[in-house]
Amino acid sequence: KAGVTQTPRYLIKTRGQQVTLSCSPISGHRSVSWYQQTPGQGLQFLFEYFSETQRNKGNFPGRFSGRQFSNSRSEMNVSTLELGDSALYLCASSPDGNQPQHFGDGTRLSIL
Amino acid sequence: GIQVEQSPPDLILQEGANSTLRCNFSDSVNNLQWFHQNPWGQLINLFYIPSGTKQNGRLSATTVATERYSLLYISSSQTTDSGVYFCADSAQLNTDKLIFGTGTRLQVFP
Repeated sequence: KAGVTQTPRYLIKTRGQQVTLSCSPISGHRSVSWYQQTPGQGLQFLFEYFSETQRNKGNFPGRFSGRQFSNSRSEMNVSTLELGDSALYLCASSPDGNQPQHFGDGTRLSIL
Repeated sequence: GIQVEQSPPDLILQEGANSTLRCNFSDSVNNLQWFHQNPWGQLINLFYIPSGTKQNGRLSATTVATERYSLLYISSSQTTDSGVYFCADSAQLNTDKLIFGTGTRLQVFP
C-alpha cells in the first residue's frame, strides 16, 4: 500500500508570493491533517479535514487555508508569504480519529 | 489546552545501550502516539498506545493513562535509532488534531 505522498518536496518562494502544497493520503484514509515544523516552534497543528469538511483548525493566521477533495486528497495554501513561513510542512492521514496517523515526507518551504 | 512534556531533551548513547524516554500529559490521554523523526525529516509512527503496553522488536512502550504518562523503551540501541523521538496526543477523542511534545534528541555512537 502506498504511503502518504506530498508534493512538491522542496519549494523556494519570495516574500509576498503564495504557495499551494498537495497531499495524497493512504488509500482508504479519509482524515488528513497538516502540521508545520520549525526549529523554534516545533510541530504545530494547522488543519484537520474529514470527508471534505474542516474538522479542526490550529492557531494560524487566515493566510493559511486548506481544503479536501472528494477523493480525500488535500491541499493547503499560504498567501502573502512571510519569512517566518519557512518550515517543513507535514501531512498525515488516518482512517478516522482514534487511530494511528501516518505522515508523508513533507514539503520543505524556503522563503527568500 | 493539553500540554505534553518530554524528557530528557537530549540523550547520547553508545551502541548496545538501553534507554527510557518519558512523556507527561497535562490532561486525560486520548490517542497517544510515539513517533521517530530520522535525520532526513521523515516522521515514522512507532506506536499508537492510549493505554497498556506494546512491543515491536527492540522497542516497547507503556502508557499509564490514570497517571497521564507514557514511556518508550529502546533496548540494544543501534546507530539507526538516532533522531528525534516525539510523543503526541489529541486534545479530545474522535479527532486527529495532535499536540506534540518538544521531543527527545537521541544520538547513538558506534
